Amino acid sequence: EVVLTQSPGTLSLSPGERATLSCRASQNVSSNYLAWYQQRPGRAPRLLIYGASTRASGIPDRFSGSGSGTDFTLTITTVEPEDFAVYYCQQFGSSLLYPFGQGTKLDMK
Amino acid sequence: QVQLRESGPGLVKPSQTLSLTCTVSGDSISSGISYWSWVRQPAGKGLEWIGRVYTNGFTNYNPSLKSRVTMSVDSSKTQFSLKMSFVTAADTAVYYCARETVRSNMVQGKIVISYYGMDVWGQGTAVTVSS
Repeated sequence: EVVLTQSPGTLSLSPGERATLSCRASQNVSSNYLAWYQQRPGRAPRLLIYGASTRASGIPDRFSGSGSGTDFTLTITTVEPEDFAVYYCQQFGSSLLYPFGQGTKLDMK
Repeated sequence: QVQLRESGPGLVKPSQTLSLTCTVSGDSISSGISYWSWVRQPAGKGLEWIGRVYTNGFTNYNPSLKSRVTMSVDSSKTQFSLKMSFVTAADTAVYYCARETVRSNMVQGKIVISYYGMDVWGQGTAVTVSS
């Protein structure tokens, strides 16, 4: 069973800073199958990245995804006030126990 | 514009069956390129994938919930549903439906599957399990 572990649990930054969020898989994950989501308080998740590095429609270019194998990264080059939220990585699979990572909370410092 | 909307009772008694429906507008469940999924989130916790259903009724379920979950597509092809039996307080959560796009292509004689993520979500519906 592949498990996704996200770090850090909480990332405290100020607007304008760079955010680097990690998603590590316990086994190799196809880049084709790795996605990232943003969830603001009280809202449904929003797809940011699919295929590990392709931005979804309407996602600003300050968001980027990278990585392969077991290590994947979501980067926000310049954090905007609306980016403070929880971020989840997710792998696609037919019958997975834990397709989502536990989340990283991006907090305002 | 594709929209999903969950509906169903907000309160379910322990040991009973939770039944939710997701109504799809702006897209066709029959399109054949999307799976239709359910995800839940207990208050203050992370996302838990419940399962997905394809237009032909094919399903994938989370192994931890498989014995209690049934998903189906309505014959009208504008709704899909989730049934979860023998609920307990641990099933109290916000339940989301989502569209999940998956495409397969032939590349050099091999089928390559590309995943485009859960790109459309419903607003979520809160379900409480309590007597």
